[in-house]
Amino acid sequence: NAGVTQTPKFQVLKTGQSMTLQCAQDMNHEYMSWYRQDPGMGLRLIHYSVGAGITDQGEVPNGYNVSRSTTEDFPLRLLSAAPSQTSVYFCASSSYPTGGAGELFFGEGSRLTVL
Amino acid sequence: LAKTTQPISMDSYEGQEVNITCSHNNIATNDYITWYQQFPSQGPRFIIQGYKTKVTNEVASLFIPADRKSSTLSLPRVSLSDTAVYYCLVGGGAGANNLFFGTGTRLTVIP
Repeated sequence: NAGVTQTPKFQVLKTGQSMTLQCAQDMNHEYMSWYRQDPGMGLRLIHYSVGAGITDQGEVPNGYNVSRSTTEDFPLRLLSAAPSQTSVYFCASSSYPTGGAGELFFGEGSRLTVL
Repeated sequence: LAKTTQPISMDSYEGQEVNITCSHNNIATNDYITWYQQFPSQGPRFIIQGYKTKVTNEVASLFIPADRKSSTLSLPRVSLSDTAVYYCLVGGGAGANNLFFGTGTRLTVIP
């Protein structure tokens, strides 16, 4: 069972470059979300989705775009990377529509460095 | 939206019971309380979830008072492998589709 798969695991970007962090889950979960984790800040919600075609902003959405064309995939796009986006990014999914009731399954994380 | 407050860090000796408390004064009626464990370079992992009173599973207990404004994660007889960061998460009530983690509690178990 793959669960939640994130790619790439590591990435180095230059300021202004764009990239997409991929997230895929094979559990047929409706709820998916992206978090960033910075030292001393815990996990902060970037964007989330409660089903294909439906996305919404979380706590720190600026500088990031998402789309949900299929149930399985929830990519996170950085349009113009900035050093402030250096972080570890986690994707999570849940079988519950609201995400909070029940277990969130997390990927292993993607470590992004923006120079 | 319920935000959470936890102690930044705690130390405990092996074999002791550890209690980590989380404050969530603005919890909504339909919100759940969930605790996660995170090891370095890994994603958080579900430990336990509750709505009210007490919940127990094979690894932990969760105590929630009647007013639900706080919760306590109890880890019985901790071992070195329990050294990790523990997060309290509140949310999931009807209409509350976004979930917020706090800064977590770093538990260090000492031999």
